Amino acid sequence: GAVVSQHPSRVICKSGTSVKIECRSLDFQATTMFWYRQFPKKSLMLMATSNEGSKATYEQGVEKDKFLINHASLTLSTLTVTSAHPEDSSFYICSAVGLAGAWVPYEQYFGPGTRLTVT
Amino acid sequence: SQQGEEDPQALSIQEGENATMNCSYKTSINNLQWYRQNSGRGLVHLILIRSNEREKHSGRLRVTLDTSKKSSSLLITASRAADTASYFCATDAFQGAQKLVFGQGTRLTINP
Repeated sequence: GAVVSQHPSRVICKSGTSVKIECRSLDFQATTMFWYRQFPKKSLMLMATSNEGSKATYEQGVEKDKFLINHASLTLSTLTVTSAHPEDSSFYICSAVGLAGAWVPYEQYFGPGTRLTVT
Repeated sequence: SQQGEEDPQALSIQEGENATMNCSYKTSINNLQWYRQNSGRGLVHLILIRSNEREKHSGRLRVTLDTSKKSSSLLITASRAADTASYFCATDAFQGAQKLVFGQGTRLTINP
């Protein structure tokens, strides 16, 4: 159980275009999902917290107009990188936290990541 | 912001040896977790230790936590080639918010 998927796993886009990345909890409902960014050989940086039915909370320094997050249902959150530029190339990882009481407290389940390359 | 500092940044050992990685953090925490990440992949949860615990075991893994020193260690015993990966500690400081702050990670290489 507790599987989180991301789609696509890899995407290459041209500079100036927008890219949408989906994060789905496959066998559980997630009220909260997190989006992380990871540069090569670096650690994960939290970008934003996505709560179902409400606006995402962005970390300091993350442009909310550039990284649009929509948590439309208890099993789906999307991250849209708008007007992508080469510096947005990175590995994007989402995680999901199940409904209270359903899972081990404080444990997040991570998706496999999406490799974005902007040319 | 990154809270955790991990050392060493890279560790290379022979198969069968034990591997020890350390993590330090700056603020008070509720829990500390260790994750493994294979190259280009997502994270795999290894073990969680609560702030009121000092040591925890899971198979070949042993985690210690010293809240007075704000540090934790991960020991992998009898290492295998398949243990080759990056290992990250992550802390959550806000009860209920479950925001994780990750350390810089240790790249572990197990040589056959």
